[in-house]
Amino acid sequence: ILNVEQSPQSLHVQEGDSTNFTCSFPSSNFYALHWYRWETAKSPEALFVMTLNGDEKKKGRISATLNTKEGYSYLYIKGSQPEDSATYLCAFMGYGGSQGNLIFGKGTKLSVKP
Amino acid sequence: GAGVSQSPSNKVTEKGKDVELRCDPISGHTALYWYRQSLGQGLEFLIYFQGNSAPDKSGLPSDRFSAERTGGSVSTLTIQRTQQEDSAVYLCASSPWGGTYEQYFGPGTRLTVT
Repeated sequence: ILNVEQSPQSLHVQEGDSTNFTCSFPSSNFYALHWYRWETAKSPEALFVMTLNGDEKKKGRISATLNTKEGYSYLYIKGSQPEDSATYLCAFMGYGGSQGNLIFGKGTKLSVKP
Repeated sequence: GAGVSQSPSNKVTEKGKDVELRCDPISGHTALYWYRQSLGQGLEFLIYFQGNSAPDKSGLPSDRFSAERTGGSVSTLTIQRTQQEDSAVYLCASSPWGGTYEQYFGPGTRLTVT
């Protein structure tokens, strides 16, 4: 059974703090890693899709890195704002399976206090 | 443009009854996915449609679950003889293609089986 682990489960930070969290996934048969943000009462929203070892992606204050050889990805938020409060999900896709079969972690719930 | 829509937004049903959940993907997206999130769990893949190919049903938890996609657009997820463990939020997503394309999620249907 393929496992995608995210840590920490939850995180409370003050406005202005920078923070990061981890997604661990199988290091073999890697195809792609997705990051999504899921705000309460809204739909999950795509942040990044990463495919290459060493990939770094950035969107505003949010960035992500990828290490496929050791099986982890970091998501960084610089200068957290209250509107960053959400659950951040990562999802792994491996070779050999269906290209629709994303395996999601349980997420990291971020709360940013003003 | 219009995003992914789902109906109903909430559904309460009695154990043993059948339910149908509907998903309207973004126009032109060839890939469509169904997921569910049970309480305290991560997003669980259910089924994936890609164009006219046979769907990947590998995530369907039992033969009480089925889905179809008519005309490459609207999809219906049917749960027969519902059980209490079927209670979850059911999410639909679409993407231009599978794999490395980000997925666009609908608002979900919250199913409660009493």
